[in-house]
Amino acid sequence: SQQGEEDPQALSIQEGENATMNCSYKTSINNLQWYRQNSGRGLVHLILIRSNEREKHSGRLRVTLDTSKKSSSLLITASRAADTASYFCATVRGGNKLTFGTGTQLKVEL
Amino acid sequence: NAGVTQTPKFQVLKTGQSMTLQCAQDMNHNSMYWYRQDPGMGLRLIYYSASEGTTDKGEVPNGYNVSRLNKREFSLRLESAAPSQTSVYFCASRLRDREIAEQYFGPGTRLTVT
Repeated sequence: SQQGEEDPQALSIQEGENATMNCSYKTSINNLQWYRQNSGRGLVHLILIRSNEREKHSGRLRVTLDTSKKSSSLLITASRAADTASYFCATVRGGNKLTFGTGTQLKVEL
Repeated sequence: NAGVTQTPKFQVLKTGQSMTLQCAQDMNHNSMYWYRQDPGMGLRLIYYSASEGTTDKGEVPNGYNVSRLNKREFSLRLESAAPSQTSVYFCASRLRDREIAEQYFGPGTRLTVT
């Protein structure tokens, strides 16, 4: 079964706005990762946050992690049309396996 | 570097036919993975190989077999395809097992079983 669930399932915003998507998971984790998938393509890693970290930044991306609530959020600031994609969170409990959420479809309109 | 490559890109099979999906990576990664992605769902792990010579079942292994041919190549075989195996299949690789590291994905194989 899926470990993570993203919310919302779909999000439509205007270029320049910020986009926030959330991920909830069920069990304790070692780290949490966010991936982007453009239509018809493979997934691309965006950012990784360890279980002992609370916030991490990478360019226009900001990720937070609240292990007490078993949730994470991904914020994309000043969105661009090129950010249109599906975004997935993936959790790692230990070892070598990722467990993916169901994804958020983001559409950024001009 | 080509990264992770997959062949074929598209395939249509009849129920009961067999086929092998090929995956190769040129990043000298130790671990390799096979996932399937169905509409409205995230990726589900079929099989993985933590290192050359080892393979393990993931979340949805039934109906599939794998071979880690060498460090570069990891193939997925459907012995008798079923319509429920219609999906997009992704191969991925990772530098080291049991360490914090991201996975690198191939472009996917879109499989339809009629």
